[in-house]
Amino acid sequence: AQTVTQSQPEMSVQEAETVTLSCTYDTSESDYYLFWYKQPPSRQMILVIRQEAYKQQNATENRFSVNFQKAAKSFSLKISDSQLGDAAMYFCAYRSLKYMEYGNKLVFGAGTILRVKS
Amino acid sequence: NAGVTQTPKFQVLKTGQSMTLQCAQDMNHNSMYWYRQDPGMGLRLIYYSASEGTTDKGEVPNGYNVSRLNKREFSLRLESAAPSQTSVYFCASTLGPGAGTAFFGQGTRLTVV
Repeated sequence: AQTVTQSQPEMSVQEAETVTLSCTYDTSESDYYLFWYKQPPSRQMILVIRQEAYKQQNATENRFSVNFQKAAKSFSLKISDSQLGDAAMYFCAYRSLKYMEYGNKLVFGAGTILRVKS
Repeated sequence: NAGVTQTPKFQVLKTGQSMTLQCAQDMNHNSMYWYRQDPGMGLRLIYYSASEGTTDKGEVPNGYNVSRLNKREFSLRLESAAPSQTSVYFCASTLGPGAGTAFFGQGTRLTVV
């Protein structure tokens, strides 16, 4: 079974600085998606960024970028120029492309709370 | 553009009471999911519906039932609520079982006393 591990329960960053959130995963599949979701205090799960495993190029969305290391099964999120609105819980998630048990469910890590200091 | 809509947003139940959480999506997605979120555990799958007319158990189905009413709607029922079901519940949908991105509802915070 696939697992996702986020080893940092909490992180802090000063406004305007850069922070990196770590994520590792375990799978025997070669084709899959990886995601970072943001959950602010409103509880809404917001997609931050998505990476397809077959793509070597790291995904980027404005101030958010990932460092995808397929061989190492590592998928970290870098937030540049941090803003107060970035404060939230961040979840790393995995999803297989191959239809399998549980309807290709998302497998989530436990989450990292990001605090942004002004 | 509503996306995925869940009701209610908050609910308090007494042990033994029943309730139904409603979920509807307007994105013409085929697959729908119910997750629960507990501290330190991420989100875990309760039930899912890969397509209209099918439902299957997820990782933690005990104490729950679901109904895929039509392509848009997927409800979650607690027949006899227990304190262990105190959690935040999320409905999500994807275009299909193999499609990538899942879109989530706003979540329901349920407390069972």
